[in-house]
Formats: sequence, C-alpha cells, structure tokens
Amino acid sequence: AQSVTQLGSHVSVSEGALVLLRCNYSSSVPPYLFWYVQYPNQGLQLLLKYTTGATLVKGINGFEAEFKKSETSFHLTKPSAHMSDAAEYFCAVSDRVETSGSRLTFGEGTQLTVNP
Amino acid sequence: GAGVSQTPSNKVTEKGKYVELRCDPISGHTALYWYRQSLGQGPEFLIYFQGTGAADDSGLPNDRFFAVRPEGSVSTLKIQRTERGDSAVYLCASSLKGASSYGYTFGSGTRLTVV
Repeated sequence: AQSVTQLGSHVSVSEGALVLLRCNYSSSVPPYLFWYVQYPNQGLQLLLKYTTGATLVKGINGFEAEFKKSETSFHLTKPSAHMSDAAEYFCAVSDRVETSGSRLTFGEGTQLTVNP
Repeated sequence: GAGVSQTPSNKVTEKGKYVELRCDPISGHTALYWYRQSLGQGPEFLIYFQGTGAADDSGLPNDRFFAVRPEGSVSTLKIQRTERGDSAVYLCASSLKGASSYGYTFGSGTRLTVV
C-alpha cells in the first residue's frame, strides 16, 4: 500500500524567504507524485506533478519540486515566499496507471504561514 | 461547465437523518471521484466512477454510504442514518480519462455537519 508523510504540519516563513515543504512517500514502485494547494473554503488546486522525464518539475506560482528516487522524496520549494502563498499544501501519490482510474493517496497536509 | 460544481456548499443535518450531496463534473470528463476530508487531515478516497459505473468503491466506510452516477455526468453521494463522525468536507473531482497522469480538477466541496 502507498503512503505519504509530510514532515511538519505547520511551517512559518517570512515574506521573501525560501519555502521548503517536505514530502516522503512509501510505494513498492515509484508512483506518480503531486502537490496540491488548498485555500480556505476552496477545493484543491494542482500545483505540479511528476509522472516521467525530468525529475525537477516546475509548477504554477513559482513553485517547483524534485523527485529523488533514492530518498523517496518529492519536496516542494519556492525561492521567495509571497503573502498570497499562505495556504495548506498537500502531497499526494497515485499508481502509474493510464488505462483506468487510480486513486490519489494524500499526506496530512502542511499549513504554510507567511509573515510580513 | 467551467469547473466542478458541488452543492450544497454547506449542509447541517441531525444525527440519524439522510443526506444527498451533489457533484456536477466538467463536461466531457468520464472519470469522477469522491473524497472525504476530515478536519486537519488530507482527503481520503471514497469511490471512483468511470462513466456510469462505480469502478472502485473500496473507500466507502460502510453500507450507510452509497453513490450513483446514472447518466455518466452528475453524481450524488448518499449517506443514510448520519452519525456525528460523518462530519467532514466531501470533495468531488473529475478527470478527462481517469488516468492519474492527467491530474484531477476538484470542486470546492460540501461541508457536512451532523449535530
């Protein structure tokens, strides 16, 4: 069974500082990997995903993540935090399935606070 | 529609009552998913539809939960004899083909409160 661990349920950074949100996964084979962001009272919005190819993935709003197979990690980073980045972030994995549906398994989320 | 629409956005019900939650996916998306998000946790999978049929309902917690998608578009999640532990945000997502590499578009959710 797959599982996702997000280290740190709350992360606080200053505006302009580096954002680093950690995600480790457990899976028998390398899965597809996703980061989603959730603003208050809104649904989940896809930030970026890794399926194949280049292990450094760039997403929306200046975020990027690197798939490291040896470390079973997919940490999310942004060089300079903005106040509008304050939200909850979820790492998720799914099976490498293309011909039928595959559920997402989510981590418990990391609440990012950005201080002025 | 332009996005995934869920109604109602909030629902308060008394313990023991029956509730229905509606999801209207993006037009043309054949795959539809229901997830449940409890307070302070990540979403948990409930059920997946491909077209009209439930391809995977292994996430439904018990037989009080049931979902339908009779015409392959709108889906309804039905909860009988609600319990306080059912209180959560119920999220719906749709995808063009169901393959996870496409990603999913989530609705804003229905916040269910059982009192």
